[in-house]
Amino acid sequence: GIQVEQSPPDLILQEGANSTLRCNFSDSVNNLQWFHQNPWGQLINLFYIPSGTKQNGRLSATTVATERYSLLYISSSQTTDSGVYFCAVSSNTGKLIFGQGTTLQVKP
Amino acid sequence: AAGVIQSPRHLIKEKRETATLKCYPIPRHDTVYWYQQGPGQDPQFLISFYEKMQSDKGSIPDRFSAQQFSDYHSELNMSSLELGDSALYFCASSSTTYGADTQYFGPGTRLTVL
Repeated sequence: GIQVEQSPPDLILQEGANSTLRCNFSDSVNNLQWFHQNPWGQLINLFYIPSGTKQNGRLSATTVATERYSLLYISSSQTTDSGVYFCAVSSNTGKLIFGQGTTLQVKP
Repeated sequence: AAGVIQSPRHLIKEKRETATLKCYPIPRHDTVYWYQQGPGQDPQFLISFYEKMQSDKGSIPDRFSAQQFSDYHSELNMSSLELGDSALYFCASSSTTYGADTQYFGPGTRLTVL
């Protein structure tokens, strides 16, 4: 099955800093989603981005499907950005395969 | 906009008891997915349904069963609960069954087995 690897596993930032999270996947996909899991456990959908680039406020994402990776950019980070960021992919089966996540801590 | 609804949000059970988790998908979504997230782990796919038929199955224990009803809501039934079943259970819904669309996740049911 598809393998999903995220890096870095942990990230500590000062408030206001920028960061880039990476997701590598081992096969072609028809779905790639980025999620933010907040401290209460809720999975917040950030982007559906199997290819191309999208932006939503301080967040943006780029997926290069031919090279099998996706990047999530967080600019001007805030303490509320803290949590775990997951990348998840699917390849025509519907079910999402999740990476191990990147745990982000933003310090005031 | 309507979201995926899960109930209950929290559930505490004793070992060997039974639990039923419910999921109400976004209106007009015909595909439902169930995921299990253990402590410190990523969510793992359990089972999915499309138009009330099972469409895919992951590492779901035989003690678990699920179904999707005529109104598209789904229930996950868990019997002979074990300590290791303590986890966050997510339901997600989508308007397609082959993955090429956003899966929207519910808030989850946190199951604690004592």
